[in-house]
This record gives sequence, structure tokens and C-alpha cells, in this order.
Amino acid sequence: TQLLEQSPQFLSIQEGENLTVYCNSSSVFSSLQWYRQEPGEGPVLLVTVVTGGEVKKLKRLTFQFGDARKDSSLHITAAQPGDTGLYLCAGKTADFNKFYFGSGTKLNVKP
Amino acid sequence: NAGVTQTPKFRILKIGQSMTLQCAQDMNHNYMYWYRQDPGMGLKLIYYSVGAGITDKGEVPNGYNVSRSTTEDFPLRLELAAPSQTSVYFCASSRGSIWVGNQPQHFGDGTRLSIL
Repeated sequence: TQLLEQSPQFLSIQEGENLTVYCNSSSVFSSLQWYRQEPGEGPVLLVTVVTGGEVKKLKRLTFQFGDARKDSSLHITAAQPGDTGLYLCAGKTADFNKFYFGSGTKLNVKP
Repeated sequence: NAGVTQTPKFRILKIGQSMTLQCAQDMNHNYMYWYRQDPGMGLKLIYYSVGAGITDKGEVPNGYNVSRSTTEDFPLRLELAAPSQTSVYFCASSRGSIWVGNQPQHFGDGTRLSIL
């Protein structure tokens, strides 16, 4: 079992559609990060959220940290083929400062 | 902008063989990490280093060894390759600790390793 559960595992959509992916846990996290990984490359950091309820925007990407700091979501508006990749959440637990990665959501945006 | 460089990109090993995965960073980062990424399992931390001469075990260290003789280099060694070590290996670095503060990790492009 993963401490950070990501859903859906796979998502295939048409260009122009909106989508939301989720990162959930039963543990409280002091911070959560979102990474995007393209095929054949390493993950690249998109954003870090640290405050419960925090919302951050990065162009068409909106990231939210849950009020209780147990979950996070990534919403993409008008998805483009360039958004295709594996989206990973990662975070540091509030109790023992352990760092975990989720298993990722694999997004395919078809032109 | 080299960042984190990993070599080789691909390798096939026979069971029982040994090899070293190379990792170098040019950002003068103190912290370096080795992860393995298996399908549907996310990234698991194998070993990490907080500076030259200092290394420690992560979540899945068995079957691996590391050394850190310089700030730049952090090689990962497999002594007796086993099929369970078939995976994609990523090296990462950060300026500060990922367990304190919110340091971003900078990843290399990975080494895809198959043990047959």
C-alpha cells in the first residue's frame, strides 16, 4: 500500500478537455509537491503547497492543498498534448518528517 | 545547464553480475539521492547522502551500496544483480534536506536496468 494514493491511475482525454487528478492520504502532510515526468526523463517539480487550503496556479494548472493537509488536487484547464506525462505527488509527513512519492497518474492528451 | 547527469541510460545485466550506476551534479548541492521507480509503485528511496563522506540507507537499500567521495559524484553499486533489481533508477540532488523545509529535488534522466 502507498501512503500517498493517486487517482486515477490512467487518464486519456481529448485536447481542450478539463481534468482533475487527486492525491490522497490518511496521514497529515506538512507539505506536498507535484512533479511532472515525461517519457525517458526524470520528474520535474511543478509546485509546492504548504498551507491547508492553499491554492496555487501555474498557467492552466491549478493546485490545491486540502484544509486538513491530507490531500491535494491538480486541475488542468483546456488540456494540451504538451501536458501528456506522469504526474507525481510527493510530500513530507507532519509527524516523523518522512518523505514519500505517490505512484502517479499517467495522463495522455490526444490532439 | 547539465544539472544531474546519469550514465548509462540503458543496461542489461546477467544475474550475479555487478555494475556501477554513475551520477554527477554540477549545482554544488549537498544532498543527493538514489531512487528506483517500478511500474505503479512510485519512487522508492534506496540511499541518500548529506554531503561528501556521509551516506545513509533509505527505504529499500538491500542489494545496493553507495559512496560519496566528492560533492559532485554519487555512484550506486549493485554487487550481485538479481531479477528483482530490474527497474528504472533515478539520481536526484537538492540544495537542502527534503526532510527539512521544502527543497525541490533535481532529477537526472534515469538509468533503465534489466537483469536477465
